[in-house]
Amino acid sequence: QQQVKQSPQSLIVQKGGISIINCAYENTAFDYFPWYQQFPGKGPALLIAIRPDVSEKKEGRFTISFNKSAKQFSLHIMDSQPGDSATYFCAAPEPNDYKLSFGAGTTVTVRA
Amino acid sequence: NAGVTQTPKFQVLKTGQSMTLQCAQDMNHNSMYWYRQDPGMGLRLIYYSASEGTTDKGEVPNGYNVSRLNKREFSLRLESAAPSQTSVYFCASSGGGGQPQHFGDGTRLSIL
Repeated sequence: QQQVKQSPQSLIVQKGGISIINCAYENTAFDYFPWYQQFPGKGPALLIAIRPDVSEKKEGRFTISFNKSAKQFSLHIMDSQPGDSATYFCAAPEPNDYKLSFGAGTTVTVRA
Repeated sequence: NAGVTQTPKFQVLKTGQSMTLQCAQDMNHNSMYWYRQDPGMGLRLIYYSASEGTTDKGEVPNGYNVSRLNKREFSLRLESAAPSQTSVYFCASSGGGGQPQHFGDGTRLSIL
């Protein structure tokens, strides 16, 4: 099972600021990279995903950028809001498999 | 609009007791997964079932068994619970490789 390295472990941002979370993976065959958002007491929920035939995908205030040659991808949360306070997980698919390997998670706190 | 349903939501066990965690999905997904989530360690795969009738070990299978009862249901059994198995357990399902995984809200398990 590959390691997916996620950073930072936690971050605090002011309302209206930008949150940036980075992930690096080792190998994959399926080109599908999801990000999950988790609130306390709930399961992870799919937030946004990218297939790296594109280098960037934007949905509302959330943007994934992807660098296939560097095996890195990142999540940007623009105009961060207190309701964005949650734990975010990146994931990369295992080669030739149905499994996902998850990063360790980033806890984002948005201060009003 | 149930998605993935896990039961029970909370459970306290004594060391050595056995227990089965239940999971059912109503999305007609082929693949199902069991994860455990511990602080600072992200989501670690215990077992998965790529399709009905098949099960495979994940990253941390020791001390657990699974049964893919039918296409909808995938159960996780602890035969002799140990304090190290205190965790939050999540079930997920997906349409297969390259498809997003959808999670339940978890079972919070404490073993004394």
